[in-house]
Amino acid sequence: KAGVTQTPRYLIKTRGQQVTLSCSPISGHRSVSWYQQTPGQGLQFLFEYFSETQRNKGNFPGRFSGRQFSNSRSEMNVSTLELGDSALYLCASSLGPSGATYEQYFGPGTRLTVT
Amino acid sequence: DAKTTQPNSMESNEEEPVHLPCNHSTISGTDYIHWYRQLPSQGPEYVIHGLTSNVNNRMASLAIAEDRKSSTLILHRATLRDAAVYYCILKVPAGANNLFFGTGTRLTVIP
Repeated sequence: KAGVTQTPRYLIKTRGQQVTLSCSPISGHRSVSWYQQTPGQGLQFLFEYFSETQRNKGNFPGRFSGRQFSNSRSEMNVSTLELGDSALYLCASSLGPSGATYEQYFGPGTRLTVT
Repeated sequence: DAKTTQPNSMESNEEEPVHLPCNHSTISGTDYIHWYRQLPSQGPEYVIHGLTSNVNNRMASLAIAEDRKSSTLILHRATLRDAAVYYCILKVPAGANNLFFGTGTRLTVIP
């Protein structure tokens, strides 16, 4: 079974631009979560989607948004990029929405650099 | 989610067992204990999880204290590939899938 794939792997953008990152979950997985990882803040939860609905959202500004398609693929968008948005963005997929017993499988991440 | 406390770093010699501790004194009766690890330049990887009883899988063992206020991840024979940051996370049953990562324990394996 193919793992979680994320595209692109690396991205360089300029302040003020917007960016869209893509995540394809493991086949059969219907839950997709997004995380931001920075050296200063560590791994932080952005949002989770299940069956095209956002189930939970972390403490990030409205510039960060996402969506999930009927095939469970997900995208996240960051508008009006700031220097502080430079980070590794990780996507994780899971069989179902219940977090207690389902493990999450992470992709390799998209390294975003904002200049 | 309840908070966990882990040592910032640990060292182990290659091929020796490693015991990674985690304190979670505010754990509720239904919280699951999950462990993930992140190897350099990779996304986190699921290791193991448990509720009350000790658990074993091909990667590791999880020993849970009787009062559930602490747990220990056991790597039976550390290899260089086990060098990673290990995260102990508590999950509420039937809650959202988001994981709240703390700072974790950076494990260094010495050849």
